[in-house]
Amino acid sequence: GALVYQYPRRTICKSGTSMRMECQAVGFQATSVAWYRQSPQKTFELIALSTVNSAIKYEQNFTQEKFPISHPNLSFSSMTVLNAYLEDRGLYLCGAREQGGTEVFFGKGTRLTVV
Amino acid sequence: QQKVQQSPESLSVPEGGMASLNCTSSDRNFQYFWWYRQHSGEGPKALMSIFSDGDKKEGRFTAHLNKASLHVSLHIRDSQPSDSALYFCAASAANYNVLYFGSGTKLTVEP
Repeated sequence: GALVYQYPRRTICKSGTSMRMECQAVGFQATSVAWYRQSPQKTFELIALSTVNSAIKYEQNFTQEKFPISHPNLSFSSMTVLNAYLEDRGLYLCGAREQGGTEVFFGKGTRLTVV
Repeated sequence: QQKVQQSPESLSVPEGGMASLNCTSSDRNFQYFWWYRQHSGEGPKALMSIFSDGDKKEGRFTAHLNKASLHVSLHIRDSQPSDSALYFCAASAANYNVLYFGSGTKLTVEP
C-alpha cells in the first residue's frame, strides 16, 4: 500500500533557530507533494505545492525564504523552517500524490514546538 | 485562504446514531471534494471522494454533493465509538490538484 513517513515526529527548537523536516513516500511515486501546517486549533494552512521537475508554488503568507523546500526525486521531500518563532509552532504535514492519482496520502506529521 | 467552510464545529451522537457533517466551497472552481478523518496523533486519512452530483455510499458512510450550491455532506449511520475523530472536508479545482481543507468537525460517538 501507499505510505508516507515523516520525521522527526516531534522536535523542539529555540526561537530564532531553524529546523528541517523530511517526508518519504513508500509504495508509490510522489509526483507532487504538498506541505501543510495544522495549527493548535486544528485548522490547516497550505504552505506550498511541489511537483517534481516544476517550480515550487508557495501560498500567500508563505515564502521560499522562510520555508525552503526540496523535492529531488519521486520518493523524498524536505522542508526547513528558518528562524522559527512562536507563531511557527504546529503540526507540519506532508501530503503526497502520484501523477494521475486522486488520493493524497498523508504522513503523521512533524510537531514543531518553539521555545 | 478559507476556501472551504465546514459545520458543525463539534458533534456528539450516541452509539448507533446518525452523524451528519456539512461542507461548502466558496470558490466555484472547487468542485472536487474529499472527506478525510484524523485520529489523535495521526495524519489525516482519506475516507471517500465525490466528484459527481448525488450520493456516493461506501459502507456506513454516504456522501452527497450538490454542485449547483457547492455543498457536500457526509452521513455516518450506525455510528461507532471508533468513529470518534476529527473530520475534514477538502476541495480542489481538479481531481489531481492541491487540496484545501475546511476547519474540521470534531465527532464524538458516546457509548
